[in-house]
Amino acid sequence: EVQLVESGGGSVQPGGSLRLSCAASGFSITNHYMHWVRQVPGKGLMWVSRIIGQGSSTSYVDSVKGRFTISRDDAKNTVYLQMNSLTLEDTAVYYCARDSGAGNYYTGVADIWGRGSLVTVSS
Amino acid sequence: DIQMTQSPSSLSASVGDRVTITCRAGRGINKYLNWYQQKPGQGPKLLIYETSLLQHEVPSRFSGSGDGIDFTLTISGLQPEDFATYYCHQGYTTLGTFGGGTKVDVK
Repeated sequence: EVQLVESGGGSVQPGGSLRLSCAASGFSITNHYMHWVRQVPGKGLMWVSRIIGQGSSTSYVDSVKGRFTISRDDAKNTVYLQMNSLTLEDTAVYYCARDSGAGNYYTGVADIWGRGSLVTVSS
Repeated sequence: DIQMTQSPSSLSASVGDRVTITCRAGRGINKYLNWYQQKPGQGPKLLIYETSLLQHEVPSRFSGSGDGIDFTLTISGLQPEDFATYYCHQGYTTLGTFGGGTKVDVK
């Protein structure tokens, strides 16, 4: 079964750090772009970051550039989101998603999503 | 980035109704408009991509259309499992942007 499972969320103080993990099963992350999308509870969605399947190309939304880093461990078939210098505005459910394109073909369409991991930034 | 204006923000409907949700892009996005459905406590689910292409295993009562600026999601014959929130998303630019969402609830 094709599946994504996020973990690593929790509560952190402003200025703190967290690392989210996204374990993929049923497919290889090297064959797809992978994404992180977040949602403030009760609000809309915002695409945060993406990483290419093979290679090192990454992209970030402006509000997280310089603070968040997306990476992957191919051997573990897992994608990560390292979040530093967290602010109250980063409080959200973070979803991992798979791009529908095969190989390094980017579509910007997310066909598989996880259930999300809640990050709460609070003093 | 490109603003996506989705309307209405909520609507009430009954089983069997025809429901239409619209999304307007701030500028032309060609065919790169996708629709997602989200239920409470779940991640979004892809329904339609590239304006009108139905994702695998999505019921045919869902359909999409558009002209590069104005896009429509139509549910022909609302079913109980369709009560949810729907989001449009433009994939024309890197990472893209979402509309604000439309919550469909029971009339």
